[in-house]
Amino acid sequence: EPEVTQTPSHQVTQMGQEVILRCVPISNHLYFYWYRQILGQKVEFLVSFYNNEISEKSEIFDDQFSVERPDGSNFTLKIRSTKLEDSAMYFCASKVQKTGQETQYFGPGTRLLVL
Amino acid sequence: KNQVEQSPQSLIILEGKNCTLQCNYTVSPFSNLRWYKQDTGRGPVSLTIMTFSENTKSNGRYTATLDADTKQSSLHITASQLSDSASYICVVSANTGTASKLTFGTGTRLQVTL
Repeated sequence: EPEVTQTPSHQVTQMGQEVILRCVPISNHLYFYWYRQILGQKVEFLVSFYNNEISEKSEIFDDQFSVERPDGSNFTLKIRSTKLEDSAMYFCASKVQKTGQETQYFGPGTRLLVL
Repeated sequence: KNQVEQSPQSLIILEGKNCTLQCNYTVSPFSNLRWYKQDTGRGPVSLTIMTFSENTKSNGRYTATLDADTKQSSLHITASQLSDSASYICVVSANTGTASKLTFGTGTRLQVTL
């Protein structure tokens, strides 16, 4: 069964460093998402992406964050200058269609630790 | 403000027993409600999805109910197994036409023991 994959599974970085989290969505999916989950807290929406542009973003997704689909298969989340509070699990998700009835399929996540 | 509240926060049950998890929401305009299972350190996996007109939906040993009038949902797990140990997250979608308007609950952490 097709699945969303994410790399790396874990990333440790120093505060102020740039990180790039990578995702490979399911191949026929058109809508892509990033979420984060701070330890012990609920999953929070960051950004949605369609047709090579951001379709919606949350207040969390400030200028330090950017997303890109550089080659038609990968979907990346970049954090330019990491802060301690960026430490979280980051989930990528994808789905086929825009309608609210379609299920988003989540990747296994990347655990980011900022020191 | 859209909110999803879940109870209990955590639950321990013996293998083979049944349990019911609760979800209350204040999301408007309502589109659908999903229950996800999240194993520790993994991404959420969809169990059920229900729209406004659906009262109940089953997926194997999982049965979800929805009362759109009272804005409540439950997830009933029958004959629990050790592999059911996970967090169960209630996720409600607002009817904006953009799936990004998902509101997540904090989850119920279920532990099934021998």
